[in-house]
Amino acid sequence: EVQLVESGGNLVQPGGSLRLSCVASGFSFSSYSMNWVRQAPGKGLEWVSYISSSRTTIFYADSVKGRFTISRDNAKNSLYLQMNSLRAEDTAVYYCARDAGVGATSWYFDLWGRGTLVTVSS
Amino acid sequence: QSVLTQPPSASGTPGQRVTISCSGSSSNIGSNTVNWYQHLPGTAPKLLIYSDNQRPSGVPDRFSGSKSGTSASLAISGLQSEDEADYYCATWDDRLNGYVVFGGGTKLTVV
Repeated sequence: EVQLVESGGNLVQPGGSLRLSCVASGFSFSSYSMNWVRQAPGKGLEWVSYISSSRTTIFYADSVKGRFTISRDNAKNSLYLQMNSLRAEDTAVYYCARDAGVGATSWYFDLWGRGTLVTVSS
Repeated sequence: QSVLTQPPSASGTPGQRVTISCSGSSSNIGSNTVNWYQHLPGTAPKLLIYSDNQRPSGVPDRFSGSKSGTSASLAISGLQSEDEADYYCATWDDRLNGYVVFGGGTKLTVV
């Protein structure tokens, strides 16, 4: 089955760190660029970060730049998001999402996971 | 405050046609294609429309997208109860340092 499964969400104190994982199955993970998108409680979707299939290109939203690090291990079909210096406003469900393009980034996402909840609170 | 503006809610009765608008500017909708996502809380979001008006395989032709200038619309005809969900427009913004921007979302209720 073609799917993405996120994990690693948890309750963490402000200033703390957390590492999210996303495992892909059912498709050639190494051929696709990947993204993290989040949704804060009662809010809409917010794009967080992008990594190309070969890991050579990485982008971040201004809201997380310098605090979050995206990475991937194509041998393990896995995407990661290392989150440091967490703030209350980082509280959200975090989704991994596959870019639909193969060979070139399309900037629309044709496969999403169900998300993992990150709560930043003391 | 989202870069793309959507009405917070919309509603319709079964069988009816509803439209959801998405308003932007020359740096986003005006110069890039628009995509639409359907999201039921607690589930994975789903790509509904891409490149303004293209439907991915498996999406019923009841769903259609259009764009004019700096605005886009999602139309749902023959409304069904399972269409009750949140709908988001999204596109690229040439001006901002954020790359993909989403609308604030529209909650569609089938009454």
